[in-house]
Amino acid sequence: AQSVTQLGSHVSVSEGALVLLRCNYSSSVPPYLFWYVQYPNQGLQLLLKYTTGATLVKGINGFEAEFKKSETSFHLTKPSAHMSDAAEYFCAVSSYNNNDMRFGAGTRLTVKP
Amino acid sequence: DTAVSQTPKYLVTQMGNDKSIKCEQNLGHDTMYWYKQDSKKFLKIMFSYNNKELIINETVPNRFSPKSPDKAHLNLHINSLELGDSAVYFCASSQREREGYTFGSGTRLTVV
Repeated sequence: AQSVTQLGSHVSVSEGALVLLRCNYSSSVPPYLFWYVQYPNQGLQLLLKYTTGATLVKGINGFEAEFKKSETSFHLTKPSAHMSDAAEYFCAVSSYNNNDMRFGAGTRLTVKP
Repeated sequence: DTAVSQTPKYLVTQMGNDKSIKCEQNLGHDTMYWYKQDSKKFLKIMFSYNNKELIINETVPNRFSPKSPDKAHLNLHINSLELGDSAVYFCASSQREREGYTFGSGTRLTVV
């Protein structure tokens, strides 16, 4: 079975500061890894994904994540936080032909002015 | 033109009632899903359907019954609603796992 652990249910940063949201995964097969963002009262929107190839992936809104197999991690970063980044962020894992994406518990990002 | 649409957006009902949530996707995807998000924001997969066939059925009370009349629709019917069923239910669809899932905007179910 695949699973994801997000370290830190709540992260608070100042506007302009680095954003780092942590995600570790468990998978017995090559994983597909995703980050989604959820704004209040909305559905989940795909930020970025890793499937194969380049381990540093870039997504929307200036976010990027790096797949590190040796550390079983897929941390999400953004160099400079903006107020509009305040939301709930979910890391997720799946694999080829799985049809069963598993989500972490989510990390709420707060951005202080 | 909404890719994955759910109706209704809000649903308030009494314990013991039966209710349905509808989901439609216009992306041409083969696979559709229902997820439940609880009050702590935890997302749990409930069902997945591929081309109208059930492929995943997590440990969900049999009061929950998904129905897929065609591959563009996946409805969720819930019998004998309980207080613990209160949550946000999300429908999603996908074509290939590597592309990720497209989610609807959710249905907030409140059982009183």
